[in-house]
Amino acid sequence: GENVEQHPSTLSVQEGDSAVIKCTYSDSASNYFPWYKQELGKRPQLIIDIRSNVGEKKDQRIAVTLNKTAKHFSLHITETQPEDSAVYFCAALSGGSYIPTFGRGTSLIVHP
Amino acid sequence: SQTIHQWPATLVQPVGSPLSLECTVEGTSNPNLYWYRQAAGRGLQLLFYSVGIGQISSEVPQNLSASRPQDRQFILSSKKLLLSDSGFYLCAWSASSYEQYFGPGTRLTVT
Repeated sequence: GENVEQHPSTLSVQEGDSAVIKCTYSDSASNYFPWYKQELGKRPQLIIDIRSNVGEKKDQRIAVTLNKTAKHFSLHITETQPEDSAVYFCAALSGGSYIPTFGRGTSLIVHP
Repeated sequence: SQTIHQWPATLVQPVGSPLSLECTVEGTSNPNLYWYRQAAGRGLQLLFYSVGIGQISSEVPQNLSASRPQDRQFILSSKKLLLSDSGFYLCAWSASSYEQYFGPGTRLTVT
């Protein structure tokens, strides 16, 4: 089955800095890669996703890149703000499967 | 637009008592439905998923069970709760486009 590794487990940055979270996956058939943001005590919220026919996707201050050859994808947050502080989860999903495999999460702390 | 509801929002139950958590989805038909559990400060553990009425798949053997009596209703149950059942229970739904959306969750404390 699919295995998703996520790093780092904790990331501390100063407000205004960039943050990068990286995930690797094992199943070359995976073709959908979402990222979720979970604030303390709240539900995970889908913030951005990418499909395997695209190498990069941007939405304002966040972007996701995908390297299919190396089987890794990354979340980039620029100009971080304190409200970006949360746990971020990556996931991978294969075509025809209904079950995403989640990474263990990264706790992002943005210091004002 | 689609909406997912869960209730109750919080629950405190004694060990050995029964459990019933409910999840409903509005604004879509034949969704895939999921139950996850999240222990404090931990990741997402998939418990059950369903691709249709009466079709339930279990990912982790335990004292919990799930049922899908209607197309957009998913229920998580237990006959006797254990201390280790404490956690944040999240229902989620997805359609054929893969995006998965989570409900607001139920925080369960077993005492």
